[in-house]
Amino acid sequence: GIQVEQSPPDLILQEGANSTLRCNFSDSVNNLQWFHQNPWGQLINLFYIPSGTKQNGRLSATTVATERYSLLYISSSQTTDSGVYFCAVERPGGGNKLTFGTGTQLKVEL
Amino acid sequence: GAGVSQTPSNKVTEKGKYVELRCDPISGHTALYWYRQSLGQGPEFLIYFQGTGAADDSGLPNDRFFAVRPEGSVSTLKIQRTERGDSAVYLCASSLGTSVDTQYFGPGTRLTVL
Repeated sequence: GIQVEQSPPDLILQEGANSTLRCNFSDSVNNLQWFHQNPWGQLINLFYIPSGTKQNGRLSATTVATERYSLLYISSSQTTDSGVYFCAVERPGGGNKLTFGTGTQLKVEL
Repeated sequence: GAGVSQTPSNKVTEKGKYVELRCDPISGHTALYWYRQSLGQGPEFLIYFQGTGAADDSGLPNDRFFAVRPEGSVSTLKIQRTERGDSAVYLCASSLGTSVDTQYFGPGTRLTVL
């Protein structure tokens, strides 16, 4: 099956700092989503981004499908950004099921 | 509008017992998914429904696991003869059911098998 790797696995930031999270995948995809799992376990949709660039407030994401990676940018981080960030992909003909990456655990400190 | 809801939020059971976990998808979403998340890992796919039928059940770990969606809305995940290794958070998601679309997740049910 498709492999999805995320880096870094852990990240500690001071409030106000910027960061870039990376997601590499091993095969072609027709769907890529970024999620934030908050400390209570809720998965929150951030972006649906199989290709191109999107921005939403302090967050933006870029997927380069031909090179099989996606980047999530967090600017001016806040303590509420803490949690685990997952990317998840769906393969063409993969039956709509998402394969999740290994996750990046982010902690934002005051 | 209301998001995906799951009940119960927590379930503690004894080894060997039977459990049912319920998922209410977003109204109008024809596709429904079940995932399982173990501690420290990303969610793993279990089963996908399009309408009332299971379109893909390749992620169910064994025949103790079964899921239904009889009217194309609410779904129930059923686990027979629970084992301690079944302990995890069970997540449900729904989507519009188009060929490529966004999945929205519920809060999950935390299952603990003693």
